[in-house]
Amino acid sequence: QKEVEQNSGPLSVPEGAIASLNCTYSDRGSQSFFWYRQYSGKSPELIMFIYSNGDKEDGRFTAQLNKASQYVSLLIRDSQPSDSATYLCAVRNSGTYKYIFGTGTRLKVLA
Amino acid sequence: GAGVSQSPSNKVTEKGKDVELRCDPISGHTALYWYRQSLGQGLEFLIYFQGNSAPDKSGLPSDRFSAERTGGSVSTLTIQRTQQEDSAVYLCASSLVLAGASGELFFGEGSRLTVL
Repeated sequence: QKEVEQNSGPLSVPEGAIASLNCTYSDRGSQSFFWYRQYSGKSPELIMFIYSNGDKEDGRFTAQLNKASQYVSLLIRDSQPSDSATYLCAVRNSGTYKYIFGTGTRLKVLA
Repeated sequence: GAGVSQSPSNKVTEKGKDVELRCDPISGHTALYWYRQSLGQGLEFLIYFQGNSAPDKSGLPSDRFSAERTGGSVSTLTIQRTQQEDSAVYLCASSLVLAGASGELFFGEGSRLTVL
């Protein structure tokens, strides 16, 4: 079992729709969870981080964390073509500063 | 510098040669990371350094890979006797480790390695 798992996609959504990206992790003691966006040929950049169970909203983005189910998700409301990118889930292992990334989900927002 | 700086941006080498990749982190960031990203794949953890602690080398794929960080700042990733499967983008990131900090990783632009 991979430490951090994501569906590779592509996930295609029409412009204006909600995109839902999912991630599961294996280390039950993990404390910190991150979503990065990576445009083709570019480096990853942070979108959101979440530490506590529940939802965290920032503009069009909402991160959701369920530690009991070892599940973290990212919702993008009012999706725009400029949101088309690969979204990487990252988990910081408990007791370390080591970050493990999933393989990423490729999102396509269709105009 | 303002961001994480990596060099070279592109490196083409012949199988069996050694290569060195350099990373200059953001000033003041105590944590430094190396990741590898093959075409269309996610980020594969290689190694990280945090302050004066022993580095976590658990992701290095073989003993041909090594890394050092001098003076708590610049890091060099060395790949000896390169193989074609080493071809990838090598990404360096740094982070501020401080109570209350988010833990965000700031990435450099990467070093693209091609082994012929």
